[in-house]
Amino acid sequence: SAVISQKPSRDICQRGTSLTIQCQVDSQVTMMFWYRQQPGQSLTLIATANQGSEATYESGFVIDKFPISRPNLTFSTLTVSNMSPEDSSIYLCSVTPSGRVTDTQYFGPGTRLTVL
Amino acid sequence: AQSVTQLDSQVPVFEEAPVELRCNYSSSVSVYLFWYVQYPNQGLQLLLKYLSGSTLVKGINGFEAEFNKSQTSFHLRKPSVHISDTAEYFCAVSDQTGGYNKLIFGAGTRLAVHP
Repeated sequence: SAVISQKPSRDICQRGTSLTIQCQVDSQVTMMFWYRQQPGQSLTLIATANQGSEATYESGFVIDKFPISRPNLTFSTLTVSNMSPEDSSIYLCSVTPSGRVTDTQYFGPGTRLTVL
Repeated sequence: AQSVTQLDSQVPVFEEAPVELRCNYSSSVSVYLFWYVQYPNQGLQLLLKYLSGSTLVKGINGFEAEFNKSQTSFHLRKPSVHISDTAEYFCAVSDQTGGYNKLIFGAGTRLAVHP
C-alpha cells in the first residue's frame, strides 16, 4: 500500500496567478498520476509522471498550463499556471507502487482549489 | 480507448435495504475493473477489483461486484446498506493505450442512504 499526502489541502487564488501542489508518498513508487475532479464530476486524468522522464499529458492538457516535476520516486509537483475560475477543482495525486496495470491506485486526499 | 458508463447518477435507498450500482464498460481483449468509493471531503479508496478468475468479487465493507463479460458489466451490490455507506462510487477500467497503464473513471454514482 501507499500513504499519500498533498499540500496545500485547499487554497483560494486570484485569477492569473499560479499554484504549485505537492504530492508526497511514504514509499518509492513507479508511477504517479495527477487527476482533476471538477465540482460534481468524475476524475479526469491530467498526466502521468514517471521519475526521470517527461510527464505524459492527456488530450486537452498541456505542459505550459500544468507543468509537472518528478524529481524522485516519492515526490511530485503539479503547477496550475495562469489560473482562471474554470480551474477551480479538486486536484488529486495517485500512485501505483509497481506500475503494473493490475496494481491498485492509491489516492491522496486532494487539493481543493478555488480561483476568484 | 476504454470507456465506462455508470447508469445512475444518484441512488437513494433506505437503511438496511439492498442496493445495486450499475457499471458498463467498452469491450476489450483483456480488462481490469475497479470500484472506488469517495466519502465526503476525502480521497478515493479502493472497494474491490476484478483482474481474472471468479466473476464474483468481494470487497471491503460488505460490497461485492459481478463481472459479466457478455454484457460488459461490472455492477456493484450490497445486500444491506448502512447510513455510513453514503458516498460517491466510481467504476473504473484500466487502459493501456499509449503503452502505459491508467484508469478511466465513470461519472460516478451518488449513493444516499436514508434512515
